[in-house]
Amino acid sequence: SYVLTQPPAVSVAPGQTARITCGGNNIGSKSVHWYQQKPGQAPVLVVYDDSDRPSGIPERFSGSNSGNTATLIISRVEAGDEADYYCQVWDSGSDHWVFGGGTKLTVL
Amino acid sequence: EVQLVESGGGLVKPGGSLRLSCAASGFTFSSYSMNWVRQAPGKGLEWVSSISSTSGYIYYADSVKGRFTISRDNARNSLSLQMNSLRAEDTAVYYCARSGIAVADFDYWGQGTLVTVSS
Repeated sequence: SYVLTQPPAVSVAPGQTARITCGGNNIGSKSVHWYQQKPGQAPVLVVYDDSDRPSGIPERFSGSNSGNTATLIISRVEAGDEADYYCQVWDSGSDHWVFGGGTKLTVL
Repeated sequence: EVQLVESGGGLVKPGGSLRLSCAASGFTFSSYSMNWVRQAPGKGLEWVSSISSTSGYIYYADSVKGRFTISRDNARNSLSLQMNSLRAEDTAVYYCARSGIAVADFDYWGQGTLVTVSS
């Protein structure tokens, strides 16, 4: 089955840029979606199809995807961005949706 | 406003059954695929099952295949998950989620319902 690998934790100072990676075999050939989850809350879609933003999501959130790595990029990080972030893809080989293990973003 | 409200969670003994429901409002339910995603305490997200708009396509995670059954009632704007032969490892918050523009993304989520499997 398809596996997505995320770093368990990423730390960044306010105002800086956070980059959260999601590794998978030839993930560049798939569409990657990213979710933000704050403690005690349901996940929120922040990026879909590698780099598109749903309405209401700040432009500070963007994404890229190439080769074996997809990246969620959060510019001008704010304290309110502190959360767990998950990547997700549809694996056509198994007809399964797959989530990465999640990355805890800490704003220093 | 899109709303998804789960219900039916609770405490159940190993081997028991439970039926979860998700009431949808604020959108044309019959036009969207729907999904169940769960999250064990302190763990990450795990996809459980998905169903297409007309129930023509149904998918299950290997961990629940043969034990869980997803269904929908488009007339009642309702999604269900029948869970049988429950195990301790099924303990989790279960979220109902709508498939989005990209189909493979989940653009709206409910607040979840907790299922605890314990003797």
